[in-house]
Amino acid sequence: QVQLQESGPGLVKPSGTLSLTCAVSGGSISSSHWWNWVRQPPGKGLEWIGEIYHSGSTNYNPSLKSRVTISADKSKNHFSLKLSSVTAADTAVYYCARGVYTYGHYYFDYWGRGTLVTVSS
Amino acid sequence: DIQMTQSPTSLSASVGDRVTITCRASQSISSYLNWYQQKPGKAPKLLIYAASSLQSGVPSRFSGSGSATDFTLTISSLQPEDFATYYCQQSYSTPPEYTFGQGTKLEIK
Repeated sequence: QVQLQESGPGLVKPSGTLSLTCAVSGGSISSSHWWNWVRQPPGKGLEWIGEIYHSGSTNYNPSLKSRVTISADKSKNHFSLKLSSVTAADTAVYYCARGVYTYGHYYFDYWGRGTLVTVSS
Repeated sequence: DIQMTQSPTSLSASVGDRVTITCRASQSISSYLNWYQQKPGKAPKLLIYAASSLQSGVPSRFSGSGSATDFTLTISSLQPEDFATYYCQQSYSTPPEYTFGQGTKLEIK
């Protein structure tokens, strides 16, 4: 059973950089899956941030691309998110999720529990 | 980008009711459509992928249908544990730009 667990500071100052890590257990990030970040502002809907493959290939949401970096550490079996120049609008629960292809269809089958990050001085 | 619009945004129903939630894409996405259930304080859970394929372990009262721009999620007989928010999500975009609907909150009548 694959499990994902987010970790990182729960409070980030405006204009700072949000940094989170997602630890993967029960499976390897070197497997044939993509590893994603999704966020959800309080009381609002879901927004896809981006994804990484173990080869290092990444895809990002165009609306966040200029501020986002997703990286992976195969030796630690985890992947990370950095979001720069944060504002209050970046306050959200951040989820990591595994993306899988089945017969060409792509979906998120395993999710972490999520971690709330608040941007405030 | 592809916009996903769900209707209704909220819905009240009773245990045992048949419920249908609709998701419309701003352009054709073939069958690249997934459905998730989210309960308060919890991560989303995959219910349906590829518009109509039931994820392993999900009860058969959940079903999905549709193609191109119009999709539906149906719960054949509501159970108490089904009261939650439901999201559709498209995975058609290339390069990837996965987008979700705004959600449908299913409440107890």
